[in-house]
Amino acid sequence: AQKVTQAQTEISVVEKEDVTLDCVYETRDTTYYLFWYKQPPSGELVFLIRRNSFDEQNEISGRYSWNFQKSTSSFNFTITASQVVDSAVYFCALSEALRVSNYQLIWGAGTKLIIKP
Amino acid sequence: KAGVTQTPRYLIKTRGQQVTLSCSPISGHRSVSWYQQTPGQGLQFLFEYFSETQRNKGNFPGRFSGRQFSNSRSEMNVSTLELGDSALYLCASSLLTGGSYNEQFFGPGTRLTVL
Repeated sequence: AQKVTQAQTEISVVEKEDVTLDCVYETRDTTYYLFWYKQPPSGELVFLIRRNSFDEQNEISGRYSWNFQKSTSSFNFTITASQVVDSAVYFCALSEALRVSNYQLIWGAGTKLIIKP
Repeated sequence: KAGVTQTPRYLIKTRGQQVTLSCSPISGHRSVSWYQQTPGQGLQFLFEYFSETQRNKGNFPGRFSGRQFSNSRSEMNVSTLELGDSALYLCASSLLTGGSYNEQFFGPGTRLTVL
């Protein structure tokens, strides 16, 4: 069965601290995609990154970085030098289907990140 | 390019009523997916439409239905509303070309409150 676990329900840090959001997934497929989305208070989900199962290279985008490790089935997200605007709920998601005719996202429960000034 | 739009943004209904939510995908996107988000259950996939056909359906009762029009706009309908249907309903569109995965772009959602 497919499953995404975000064990951290809520994280609160002071601005400029680094923070890591954990994501652990389960799947029997050898080919799959992993995602991170951000949901600010406005409600709209904002796409952050997509990673396919064959690419284990870490990725850095400004203050954001992602660590994908197939050995531990984890896809963790780190924000460096956090800012108040980073406050949001962050979701990790998994997609197994490759065929055009069938896909959906399996979502983690989300981690609420609070950045205090 | 305009993003995904959803109407209405907020809706209040009473138990037993029915409701129709609308989603207009990004121009050129042919796949539309619907999700329900609640504090208790989180984000759950409802269904996906492509070229006016429902291709995938989540684990929701038959009270939840949808359709897609030839211009890719989609509607979802919930009949005989229950208190537990109170949620944020999110629509996402995707280009879906060539068989490879294309990211989904989400709309702002419709917040439905059932009294």
